[in-house]
Amino acid sequence: RKEVEQDPGPFNVPEGATVAFNCTYSNSASQSFFWYRQDCRKEPKLLMSVYSSGNEDGRFTAQLNRASQYISLLIRDSKLSDSATYLCVVNNANDYKLSFGAGTTVTVRA
Amino acid sequence: DTAVSQTPKYLVTQMGNDKSIKCEQNLGHDTMYWYKQDSKKFLKIMFSYNNKELIINETVPNRFSPKSPDKAHLNLHINSLELGDSAVYFCASSQGTGGRGYTFGSGTRLTVV
Repeated sequence: RKEVEQDPGPFNVPEGATVAFNCTYSNSASQSFFWYRQDCRKEPKLLMSVYSSGNEDGRFTAQLNRASQYISLLIRDSKLSDSATYLCVVNNANDYKLSFGAGTTVTVRA
Repeated sequence: DTAVSQTPKYLVTQMGNDKSIKCEQNLGHDTMYWYKQDSKKFLKIMFSYNNKELIINETVPNRFSPKSPDKAHLNLHINSLELGDSAVYFCASSQGTGGRGYTFGSGTRLTVV
């Protein structure tokens, strides 16, 4: 079983729509959680950290459910520029490495 | 000023050759990494150095050898390149453990022909 699993999508949504997707992680010792964004042929960039109480950053909302071991990302009022692959990432306490999901592709159309 | 820079950006080479990829970070981070992203888009860790000391060495063929001359540099040397080595190799850095996330370099796209 992969350590981090994501629905690969693609999610094709019109501008202005809301899109949400989850990822699940297998290691209950995971301590830190992130969403990274990766544009085609570019490096992953940190979109936001995910905190236990849930957090927002503008149009982006992240949630963490430790009991069910899943993380979610919701994008409101989608923009064309939100088209990208979103990588779910987890890190265990005192561990240097990050474990990446394979990514969820979102395409926002005009 | 680029925070994590890798060279070269593109590398096309023949099977059997030996090649190196270089990485430098100017963030003052103490930990650096090499990740490989294959055609299925999975990012998998290969190596990590913390203050020049190798701390992560995943199951990688020993044709791959990392070298960290100082904590701001981490190079990757690959011997006897094979077709299956074709991928994008990303360098990254962090301060301490990965708990605060990483900063990635822009990647080196290696194509072995």
